[in-house]
Parts: sequence; structure tokens; C-alpha cells
Amino acid sequence: GAGVSQSPSNKVTEKGKDVELRCDPISGHTALYWYRQSLGQGLEFLIYFQGNSAPDKSGLPSDRFSAERTGGSVSTLTIQRTQQEDSAVYLCASSLDRGRVKGYTFGSGTRLTVV
Amino acid sequence: AQSVTQLGSHVSVSEGALVLLRCNYSSSVPPYLFWYVQYPNQGLQLLLKYTTGATLVKGINGFEAEFKKSETSFHLTKPSAHMSDAAEYFCAVSDQGSQAGTALIFGKGTTLSVSS
Repeated sequence: GAGVSQSPSNKVTEKGKDVELRCDPISGHTALYWYRQSLGQGLEFLIYFQGNSAPDKSGLPSDRFSAERTGGSVSTLTIQRTQQEDSAVYLCASSLDRGRVKGYTFGSGTRLTVV
Repeated sequence: AQSVTQLGSHVSVSEGALVLLRCNYSSSVPPYLFWYVQYPNQGLQLLLKYTTGATLVKGINGFEAEFKKSETSFHLTKPSAHMSDAAEYFCAVSDQGSQAGTALIFGKGTTLSVSS
């Protein structure tokens, strides 16, 4: 597609439920990133996929968080047993290279609210 | 480990005034540096970047930034603010030489307000 697409744009869920957030990167972009944006905290790196390499999961805050990328394209971020502190905007980005030269293209994010 | 510090979480200027948003970084290797802008309810948009070469880089919407290695800084400036510049601005750093491919590290952001 023309840009990075994320769905849903907004998600309200009850504490303890599982949620899945979807990211459709730009066609042909080999690298895909998930970040979490909380008020006043900037962007917190979560996970990074590069081609067929093993993902860099070093930013995932707990084992309740997981992500996969199928066929080198669409990615799903799953949060199990959601807690109120998971409320944030989850941003996905993709890039042609590792993004260090051209930067990333970001989606508009999914705003997650845990009640 | 790399890190980014943005001085001032909130900057207010009058329309037509100089915009200066500060960014300092920490990196053990030559960095790649970026500024992104985020308008309300939107994703981040790349404003400009420094990779190698000229240390003064120009971006979109009249913004520019200068890489100063001695000061480990990459401050963002614009000579004359417009109302449409009101947004949140993020500085980010990535290492130049790593083969491991680390993700960009972002600062906490600076909200720019522009008054008429």
C-alpha cells in the first residue's frame, strides 16, 4: 500500500482480556518496528523485524507481549491479560533498509484503552 | 548504549519568532540523527536527518538542524514560526556502524505551541 496501515485505530478493552493489533507495512519494506507511546514518555521501542532474521524482542516489557510477522509482511502485536498500564498508543513503522539512512515511515497508531 | 535527551518538554513561541528545539545524544559510535514531527492523532513524519557529510541539514517546512559532534547536539531550528508548526517533535538516534541493526532510539518529545 501507499503507507503503513494500522488497525484498529482505537481499541477499548476490559482489564484481563487479550488484544491483537495489526500492522500492514509498505510493500517491499523489509524492516518493521513496533513502538509504544505513552503520555510524557516518548516512544518506547518494543520489537523489530528485519527480513527473515530472528526478531529483536529486547524492548518487550513483559511476557504478556508478543508479536509475529507472517510472510515478511503483515505483523500482529498481541497483548495478553491486558492491564491498565498497557493503555497507550501503539505505533508501527516500516523501512526499506534498517531505517538508519532513510528513516522510518510510521502508521497512525492504535490507541489502546484498558478499562 | 545510545540515548537522546530533549531539553524542555514544552516550548511556546509567538508566530514569526525563532523556533529552537534542543536535542542532545549519547552514542559510542558516529550517530545517525533524525527529527520527526507528530501532528495530533497522526503518526510520526520525518522532518530531516543527518547521516554523513554536511553537518547543517535542511528539512521540510523550513526546518533545519545542525550536527555538532563536540557538543553531542542536534538542535532543530526554524527562523519564523507558523501556526501550523504546532505539534510534537521527536529527536532520534541510531548508530552508524552497527551490523546488528538496532532500532531508532527516540527522545521523550517536545510539544511546540505557537501563539498569534
